[in-house]
Amino acid sequence: DTEVTQTPKHLVMGMTNKKSLKCEQHMGHRAMYWYKQKAKKPPELMFVYSYEKLSINESVPSRFSPECPNSSLLNLHLHALQPEDSALYLCASSLRDRDYEQYFGPGTRLTVT
Amino acid sequence: EDQVTQSPEALRLQEGESSSLNCSYTVSGLRGLFWYRQDPGKGPEFLFTLYSAGEEKEKERLKATLTKKESFLHITAPKPEDSATYLCAVQAFERGAQKLVFGQGTRLTINP
Repeated sequence: DTEVTQTPKHLVMGMTNKKSLKCEQHMGHRAMYWYKQKAKKPPELMFVYSYEKLSINESVPSRFSPECPNSSLLNLHLHALQPEDSALYLCASSLRDRDYEQYFGPGTRLTVT
Repeated sequence: EDQVTQSPEALRLQEGESSSLNCSYTVSGLRGLFWYRQDPGKGPEFLFTLYSAGEEKEKERLKATLTKKESFLHITAPKPEDSATYLCAVQAFERGAQKLVFGQGTRLTINP
């Protein structure tokens, strides 16, 4: 089983709202990732967690706040977003943070109004 | 700087018409090259990992090959359901963690 689940599938939020995206995997993977993808562009890395610790933050604005409560869960907390933050947000996981393929979830389509 | 370039940007084929997609890369020490398939509005689906020049992998109508400078995704007798964007990525390391560097993708359309 190579399934990564993400909730919600779609999210519409205003610029003053606070919301969270959730990602879950039960494959025993110890590395988890958040990506942002705009239309007709490849995924763009935002954060990497390795063994529940943040190892890469690609200079993402502080209105995006990641959290890894345990080895199976990854959250992305959203606050005071801008319309240009509208995108497909993808979660991925891999067995370790090196030398292994990443498996992606279906994504959350976020629209900021 | 690690870089991945895919060509063509878009490709239209007739059902049954075989072709190849190209992924050229520059990376300081290749640790792995990955192929993904992505349908519109969905997450990328893992297809293949290639680690060393000369390596080949197959899955149904798809075959991936790797040289020291590029990788090819060969599609044999494609069907309309093979229509998707195909993404190539190489593994790079930054501050001790893995990072995938993606190409821009090839949008493949198979007409019945």
